[in-house]
Amino acid sequence: GENVEQHPSTLSVQEGDSAVIKCTYSDSASNYFPWYKQELGKRPQLIIDIRSNVGEKKDQRIAVTLNKTAKHFSLHITETQPEDSAVYFCAASIQGNTPLVFGKGTRLSVIA
Amino acid sequence: DAGVIQSPRHEVTEMGQEVTLRCKPISGHDYLFWYRQTMMRGLELLIYFNNNVPIDDSGMPEDRFSAKMPNASFSTLKIQPSEPRDSAVYFCASSRPGMNTEAFFGQGTRLTVV
Repeated sequence: GENVEQHPSTLSVQEGDSAVIKCTYSDSASNYFPWYKQELGKRPQLIIDIRSNVGEKKDQRIAVTLNKTAKHFSLHITETQPEDSAVYFCAASIQGNTPLVFGKGTRLSVIA
Repeated sequence: DAGVIQSPRHEVTEMGQEVTLRCKPISGHDYLFWYRQTMMRGLELLIYFNNNVPIDDSGMPEDRFSAKMPNASFSTLKIQPSEPRDSAVYFCASSRPGMNTEAFFGQGTRLTVV
């Protein structure tokens, strides 16, 4: 089955700097790659996703890149703000066919 | 829609007791997932249903765990007997099939077994 590895497990950045979180997956059939943000004590919520027919997607300060050949994808957050502090999870699935398999999460701390 | 609704939000129980967690998915969603979240293991898929039918329960850790979905609007996850190592946050999520397979999570049930 699918295995998703996520790095780093913790990340601290200064406010205004960029943050990058990287994930790798094992199943070449996977074609849907969402990212979830989980604030302390709350539920995971989707912030951005990418499908295998595109290499990059951007939404304001967040962007995701996908390299299908290397089987890795990354989340980029620019101009970080204190409210970006949370745990971020990457996930992979075969769209419409298999459930999401999550990475172990990255705890991002943005220091003001 | 109120989103995915889970109950209770918090549960504290003694070892050996039966625990039942409940979930109401978003209306119209065909898929329902039960995940367990711990610091060590992250978000683990326990079981998922499609149109009320269990599809894959290979993530259920032991026979002490069971899940049902008697209709499209209700699912339960039962642990009997409970053990301290079952302490975790249990999330229910639902999604629709098709191009957008975003999983919508409930607020979770924080289970503590003492």
